[in-house]
Amino acid sequence: KAGVTQTPRYLIKTRGQQVTLSCSPISGHRSVSWYQQTPGQGLQFLFEYFSETQRNKGNFPGRFSGRQFSNSRSEMNVSTLELGDSALYLCASSLGPGLYNEQFFGPGTRLTVL
Amino acid sequence: AQSVSQHNHHVILSEAASLELGCNYSYGGTVNLFWYVQYPGQHLQLLLKYFSGDPLVKGIKGFEAEFIKSKFSFNLRKPSVQWSDTAEYFCAADSGGGADGLTFGKGTHLIIQP
Repeated sequence: KAGVTQTPRYLIKTRGQQVTLSCSPISGHRSVSWYQQTPGQGLQFLFEYFSETQRNKGNFPGRFSGRQFSNSRSEMNVSTLELGDSALYLCASSLGPGLYNEQFFGPGTRLTVL
Repeated sequence: AQSVSQHNHHVILSEAASLELGCNYSYGGTVNLFWYVQYPGQHLQLLLKYFSGDPLVKGIKGFEAEFIKSKFSFNLRKPSVQWSDTAEYFCAADSGGGADGLTFGKGTHLIIQP
């Protein structure tokens, strides 16, 4: 069974631009969560989607948004990029919502903002 | 808000040494606890988890962790480490139900010297 895939793996953008990251969950998994990983703040929860609905959201500004499609694939978007948005963005999928289902992580997308 | 602290950011051990990595969480109510591991060049993967029941939980690769509610702790242990245990270890917690996603500690970089 294929694991969680994220595209692209690496991305370089400049301040003010916007970016869209994609996540394909494990087949049969319907819940997708996004995390931001930085050296200073560590791993921080961004949001979780289930059945095309945002279920939970972390403490991030409105520039960070996401969506989920009917096939459970998810995208996250960051608008008006800032230098501090440089990070590894991780996607995790699970069978259902909440954390009683084990989350499986993807390899991440490394975003660099110049 | 939930917080998770890991006592050691870097740990260096020799093969066959015993390991204990500290983890403390702040939430006083029902909590689910996790240890994740990230081997060099690989994805985050779940080592073990605690939801309820026996406070001593066993995970993959000979790891175990003990939940001590009175100390708000969930320390990771392994009686005899191997060179292949070199990795980044993350403790994580959620406040039950996953309403705020996973809260991660900053991680412990473990290096095992042959």
